[in-house]
Amino acid sequence: AQSVTQPDIHITVSEGASLELRCNYSYGATPYLFWYVQSPGQGLQLLLKYFSGDTLVQGIKGFEAEFKRSQSSFNLRKPSVHWSDAAEYFCAVDTSGTYKYIFGTGTRLKVLA
Amino acid sequence: DTAVSQTPKYLVTQMGNDKSIKCEQNLGHDTMYWYKQDSKKFLKIMFSYNNKELIINETVPNRFSPKSPDKAHLNLHINSLELGDSAVYFCASSQGVGELFFGEGSRLTVL
Repeated sequence: AQSVTQPDIHITVSEGASLELRCNYSYGATPYLFWYVQSPGQGLQLLLKYFSGDTLVQGIKGFEAEFKRSQSSFNLRKPSVHWSDAAEYFCAVDTSGTYKYIFGTGTRLKVLA
Repeated sequence: DTAVSQTPKYLVTQMGNDKSIKCEQNLGHDTMYWYKQDSKKFLKIMFSYNNKELIINETVPNRFSPKSPDKAHLNLHINSLELGDSAVYFCASSQGVGELFFGEGSRLTVL
C-alpha cells in the first residue's frame, strides 16, 4: 500500500538557521507530491508541489523542495527560518491522479528566537 | 471572501446525538473532500465528490453520510455520535488533481 513517512515528529531550530524537513513515500511510480503548512487553528495551505519536470521546486514563503526519485524522497528546505514559520508541516502524495491524497503524519516546527 | 468555508467552526455535543457540518466553496472547483484530523494531527480522507458524484468512500462507519446538493456544496451528517468521533473535520476542494484548498476546520467534541 502507498504510504508517506515523515520521520521527524518535532524539529526545533533557531531563527535564521536553515531547515530541512524529510519526506519519503512508498509507491511504484512517481506520484504527485505536495507540501502543506498548518498554522494553529487553521486549515492547510499549499507551500509547493511537484508533478514532473525540474526536480527542484520553489514554493511560497521562501520554501523549496527537491524530488529524488532514487531515494523516493521529497524534502522541504528553507535557508533561513523566520519565527512565523513555526507550524505543522505535512507532506502529501497523490498516486496516479486518483484524488486520494495520502498525508504524512506531520512535522511540528518550533522556532527559537 | 473565503474560498472554502465550513460551518460551524465548533460543535460540542453528547454521545448519541446527530450533527451536521456544512461546506461551501466559491472557487468553481469540481471536486470536494472531507478529511478527519485526529488528536495526533493525522489527516485521513473520508469522502470525495466529483461533480456531485461520490468517487472516494473510505472505510468510514455508515453513521457518516455525505451529501453534495451541487458541486459547490458538500455537507457531512453524522448519526449517533460516539466519543471516537471527536476530531477536527476539514472540507477541501480541488480542480482536478492538484492543489487542495482547505477550509478552517470544524472541531467536533463528543461528551
